[in-house]
Amino acid sequence: RKEVEQDPGPFNVPEGATVAFNCTYSNSASQSFFWYRQDCRKEPKLLMSVYSSGNEDGRFTAQLNRASQYISLLIRDSKLSDSATYLCVVNERYGGATNKLIFGTGTLLAVQP
Amino acid sequence: NAGVTQTPKFRVLKTGQSMTLLCAQDMNHEYMYWYRQDPGMGLRLIHYSVGEGTTAKGEVPDGYNVSRLKKQNFLLGLESAAPSQTSVYFCASSYRAVLTYEQYFGPGTRLTVT
Repeated sequence: RKEVEQDPGPFNVPEGATVAFNCTYSNSASQSFFWYRQDCRKEPKLLMSVYSSGNEDGRFTAQLNRASQYISLLIRDSKLSDSATYLCVVNERYGGATNKLIFGTGTLLAVQP
Repeated sequence: NAGVTQTPKFRVLKTGQSMTLLCAQDMNHEYMYWYRQDPGMGLRLIHYSVGEGTTAKGEVPDGYNVSRLKKQNFLLGLESAAPSQTSVYFCASSYRAVLTYEQYFGPGTRLTVT
């Protein structure tokens, strides 16, 4: 089983739609969770951290369910500029004090005009 | 602030050739990382460094070496390139390895080994 699993998509949605991505992780000891965004042929960039209580940043809402070991990202009122690959990322202890990011393979979102 | 920069952006190597990828950051970050990204797989950690003069192995270190002689630079070396090392390589840095700190990525180096 992969450490972090995501539906690869693509998710093709019209502008203005609401779209949700889910991600599951295998290590119950994982401590921090993130969504990164990666545009085509570009580097990943942090979109938002995911907190146990859930958090919102404008049109984006992230949720964490520790009991079920899944993370979600909800995008409301999709824009063309939201088209990208969304990476689910889990942070674990590695080699003592260092933390390691475990990346999912990403979910491709294509927002259509 | 340039953030994290990588050179070169593209490179084609023949099997058995060697090369060095350079990563530089101007954010005074302690921690630096090298990842590779392949289709259908998430980014995988090759090597990392927790400070100047220190390096450690990541998840897929075989065939690579690294050095961190200066805090702002992290070099990734391929001594004898193989086709399996065809990939996109990303360097990243973070202020600390504390769980909630963001990693900042460079623009990537696209390497093809023929």
